[in-house]
Amino acid sequence: DTAVSQTPKYLVTQMGNDKSIKCEQNLGHDTMYWYKQDSKKFLKIMFSYNNKELIINETVPNRFSPKSPDKAHLNLHINSLELGDSAVYFCASSQGSRGELFFGEGSRLTVL
Amino acid sequence: QKEVEQNSGPLSVPEGAIASLNCTYSDRGSQSFFWYRQYSGKSPELIMFIYSNGDKEDGRFTAQLNKASQYVSLLIRDSQPSDSATYLCAVRSYNTDKLIFGTGTRLQVFP
Repeated sequence: DTAVSQTPKYLVTQMGNDKSIKCEQNLGHDTMYWYKQDSKKFLKIMFSYNNKELIINETVPNRFSPKSPDKAHLNLHINSLELGDSAVYFCASSQGSRGELFFGEGSRLTVL
Repeated sequence: QKEVEQNSGPLSVPEGAIASLNCTYSDRGSQSFFWYRQYSGKSPELIMFIYSNGDKEDGRFTAQLNKASQYVSLLIRDSQPSDSATYLCAVRSYNTDKLIFGTGTRLQVFP
């Protein structure tokens, strides 16, 4: 069983469209994250949720809206996609906000 | 100054040699330090973490931490071609709990 799973793994879309990425973890962790990895492999935190509560909200355009329906799920919706949004988006989870991070396989978003 | 700095590499070492990967960080309040390995096209996976000054060994891997110098390193003994990957240093701040990653060092181990 995959510990942290993301869908879809690949998204190719046009500028201006809206897209969503879903993430689920079966590790029983209480904290989940979205990270963005750009073409230079820099992994930057975007959001973090602990027990469905938003605890980290980095300087991210408000076109990005995370939602955590329960502590095992964290989704990311992106409105009005721009070329610069092209990246790999990783979901991760940890037990507590100081625990080790376990990453999903990533969702590669390409905006044309 | 970047919060976590690593040499991007590539660092090329022959099979069987020791690979030394280095990382410096700017936040003196940092409390925990992690090394992740990321194969091309894959997700990062945790190799080691270290919280206290000194060395921590796990198999062929040794993490070294020097908080006074704000420096953490990863040594890989008996390097294998399968160790070829990007190694990401990550630092967690005590104040913010955010895990901040460096840009990674690409390691190439040649036969």
